[in-house]
Amino acid sequence: EVQLLESGGGLIQPGGSLRLSCAASGFTFTSSAMSWVRQAPGKGLQWVSTILGSGGNTYYADSVKGRFTISRDNSKHTLYLQMDSLRAEDTAVYYCAKVVITMLRGAMPFYYFDYWGQGTLVTVSS
Amino acid sequence: EIVLTQSPGTLSLSPGERATLSCRASQSVSSSYLAWYQQKAGQAPRLLIYGASRRATGIPDRFSGSGSGTDFTLTISRLEPEDFALYYCQQYGHSPGTFGQGTKVEIK
Repeated sequence: EVQLLESGGGLIQPGGSLRLSCAASGFTFTSSAMSWVRQAPGKGLQWVSTILGSGGNTYYADSVKGRFTISRDNSKHTLYLQMDSLRAEDTAVYYCAKVVITMLRGAMPFYYFDYWGQGTLVTVSS
Repeated sequence: EIVLTQSPGTLSLSPGERATLSCRASQSVSSSYLAWYQQKAGQAPRLLIYGASRRATGIPDRFSGSGSGTDFTLTISRLEPEDFALYYCQQYGHSPGTFGQGTKVEIK
């Protein structure tokens, strides 16, 4: 059974930093691309970032590029999201999601999400 | 960036009725790379459909997807009590992948 368990959320002041973790089990983590998707309170879903299985290729939404860093530790089956320079508009539930890549066009993957964690809430407020 | 517009915003139906949800893209979605997700209150999204019409593992056959190009549809043939939820479409044929704003299916 695929399980994804996020942790690390909380209340943080604007300009602060936070690191989210996602512990994965039940599938071959080392060969699976993974993503973070967020959902602001009462709003829809927004893709944040993706990392390929090897960890060598990473992708970011324009809204977080330069502030967030996605990484993974394949030996620990864990995905991370380092979030710096946080803003009020980053307030959301952050979901970890397992990715199914359907196509690679150059170095760009195209994919959907077949399993999601329960999410962790990040609140950016003074 | 492709914009997905879902309609209606809210669908009020009774158990046993048929639900038809629409997802329209601002430009053609390559290779019918469109997925549908269900989200219940306080829960994570669950994959229902990918490739516009392929049911994900364990999804009942009352859920079906159709469409191509810019117009896609999710149909629930006979609503069960557990189907009342939010539904999102997602296109993944263009980068970045984008989601629709959602359709809420509520009990009438």
